[in-house]
Amino acid sequence: QSVLTQPPSVSAAPGQKVTISCSGSSSNIGNNYVSWYQQLPGTAPKLLIYDNNKRPSGIPDRFSGSKSGTSATLGITGLQTGDEADYYCGTWDSSLSALVFGTGTKVTVL
Amino acid sequence: QLQLQESGPGLVKPSETLSLTCTVSGGSISSSSYYWGWIRQPPGKGLEWIGSIYYSGSTYYNPSLKSRVTISVDTSKNQFSLKLSSVTAADTAVYYCARQGKNWETRGLTWFDPWGQGTLVTVSS
Repeated sequence: QSVLTQPPSVSAAPGQKVTISCSGSSSNIGNNYVSWYQQLPGTAPKLLIYDNNKRPSGIPDRFSGSKSGTSATLGITGLQTGDEADYYCGTWDSSLSALVFGTGTKVTVL
Repeated sequence: QLQLQESGPGLVKPSETLSLTCTVSGGSISSSSYYWGWIRQPPGKGLEWIGSIYYSGSTYYNPSLKSRVTISVDTSKNQFSLKLSSVTAADTAVYYCARQGKNWETRGLTWFDPWGQGTLVTVSS
């Protein structure tokens, strides 16, 4: 059972915006950096956002990350069919001394 | 360009030990800035961190797996390895290796990038 909670699914039409929440606690999100991953069907996860809101080289600015208190959010604007994937948040949990992942969110482009 | 590749048996019998190796190319595993981690994903389920290692041999393990996990590093071969003992069907998963960042101020581990392509390990007799 994950300590980070994400909505099971979100959906929107092409060109629209979606946001994915990641809810935790003071022992994880509240005091540690959050990262976000995109997992296209049948492939390995790919880093989208690190240190709460930074994008690795090559990640388009349609993807954004933010954190407030014990929650983090991934935003995707200008939604494309190629964005259909599972998305996971991750962070360190200081109480568990463990890297924890969110439950995952499936993004569907209508 | 840094690349990671997992290798090892795709089928392991119950109660035996699962052994995988991750080979790093395009960069040195002895970099002082990074850890190297193992993550797994059971079919149709989410991601689970297994553990991570520094080139010096310092390790972090998931408390839920710690009693069965050993991660080691071979800097001469630019490889790190995973051993998971006493496996059951619940250990059937795609196993990934990845480079990992660390927050040196808080000592917490952070992001994974890049990831290997993953290897499916099935536990069955």
